Amino acid sequence: DGGITQSPKYLFRKEGQNVTLSCEQNLNHDAMYWYRQDPGQGLRLIYYSQIVNDFQKGDIAEGYSVSREKKESFPLTVTSAQKNPTAFYLCASSIADRTQFFGPGTRLTVL
Amino acid sequence: GENVEQHPSTLSVQEGDSAVIKCTYSDSASNYFPWYKQELGKGPQLIIDIRSNVGEKKDQRIAVTLNKTAKHFSLHITETQPEDSAVYFCADDRGSTLGRLYFGRGTQLTVWP
Repeated sequence: DGGITQSPKYLFRKEGQNVTLSCEQNLNHDAMYWYRQDPGQGLRLIYYSQIVNDFQKGDIAEGYSVSREKKESFPLTVTSAQKNPTAFYLCASSIADRTQFFGPGTRLTVL
Repeated sequence: GENVEQHPSTLSVQEGDSAVIKCTYSDSASNYFPWYKQELGKGPQLIIDIRSNVGEKKDQRIAVTLNKTAKHFSLHITETQPEDSAVYFCADDRGSTLGRLYFGRGTQLTVWP
């Protein structure tokens, strides 16, 4: 069963803690993306990666970090430097024709 | 630059009526325009897309039109059903070779039975 999986579905974090969101795909896609979604603001790009061991900052990278050690995996770490991390986080992947496919999302809440 | 502008932000229609959502882009280099549907608590799903070498594309009740001169593209849903209720996002690529997409702010479509 091919697709993009994100875990966990819900995540709670105390202020000052780092937390890592998982994104895995078995679609053999080269490119992967992380978006943040807040009510009324659409999708904002945090980081993206076109190839293993390489990634670029998106529009709102501050307070976040990523790694791309494997083609299938693109984990996102929300650090304590992110001032307002409560949001819905979406991972996506794509092939060369730019069609992006999204995972089910992780809802992060800071307590 | 500005992300693609999407209107309206909310749209309510009666079941069976048509719904139209319009997006305007600014970069003449844009040549890929997808539309996504997002149901509550889920990730967006691609419903239709169009590339700049065509003016219209249709898939059953859904169609997208592209006007490159005016730099706008529209999603048309005919014979709407309650299950069409969702948030719809448009996007463009600004001619990016890096695979990036730039999204509109979304339209909340409600179809009343």
